[in-house]
Amino acid sequence: GAGVSQTPSNKVTEKGKYVELRCDPISGHTALYWYRQSLGQGPEFLIYFQGTGAADDSGLPNDRFFAVRPEGSVSTLKIQRTERGDSAVYLCASSFSNGPYNEQFFGPGTRLTVL
Amino acid sequence: AQTVTQSQPEMSVQEAETVTLSCTYDTSESDYYLFWYKQPPSRQMILVIRQEAYKQQNATENRFSVNFQKAAKSFSLKISDSQLGDAAMYFCALNTGTASKLTFGTGTRLQVTL
Repeated sequence: GAGVSQTPSNKVTEKGKYVELRCDPISGHTALYWYRQSLGQGPEFLIYFQGTGAADDSGLPNDRFFAVRPEGSVSTLKIQRTERGDSAVYLCASSFSNGPYNEQFFGPGTRLTVL
Repeated sequence: AQTVTQSQPEMSVQEAETVTLSCTYDTSESDYYLFWYKQPPSRQMILVIRQEAYKQQNATENRFSVNFQKAAKSFSLKISDSQLGDAAMYFCALNTGTASKLTFGTGTRLQVTL
């Protein structure tokens, strides 16, 4: 079956603009995760959904960042008033259920560049 | 808080040889899982191998094996018979029993030469 897909692959925006990044998880996966990977670093956790609800949003850096998953499948990460420091690759992952033993399957990421 | 440390920014290995990538971690949890992920230039993270902390036996997956030293909080990855396709960034990651989020190290870039 299809893996995790993310759109767009690349996004260039200007400082102060609003952006939306989309993630389509593997069908049937109830858990969905967002990570941010800055240049030369490992991915850092942002937020995790179990079904429709955000079970852990402790990684969101500030209130400019928000994510939704209204029907328990597709998720959108929303960034308001973008700053140059938001430039990074945003990775989405999904797993069959929550729990640390479950393999997280990653998408190819969206590279966000804020000019 | 959990931390994962990879002290080797880059490693190089000749094709068909063996290489070991190092990883140390810290957590106060007793129930946790350790992972090695591979990230090729395509950016897509691929699970290489995982280890449950309660298992003493080291995990193996074909040419990939780990050396899990729980007391030392060390989790190294050994790649045997290295192939050109093994060239990538390798990330060590930790997931604990009280959370479902992965904590990653900074990665090791592996080059495979002829």
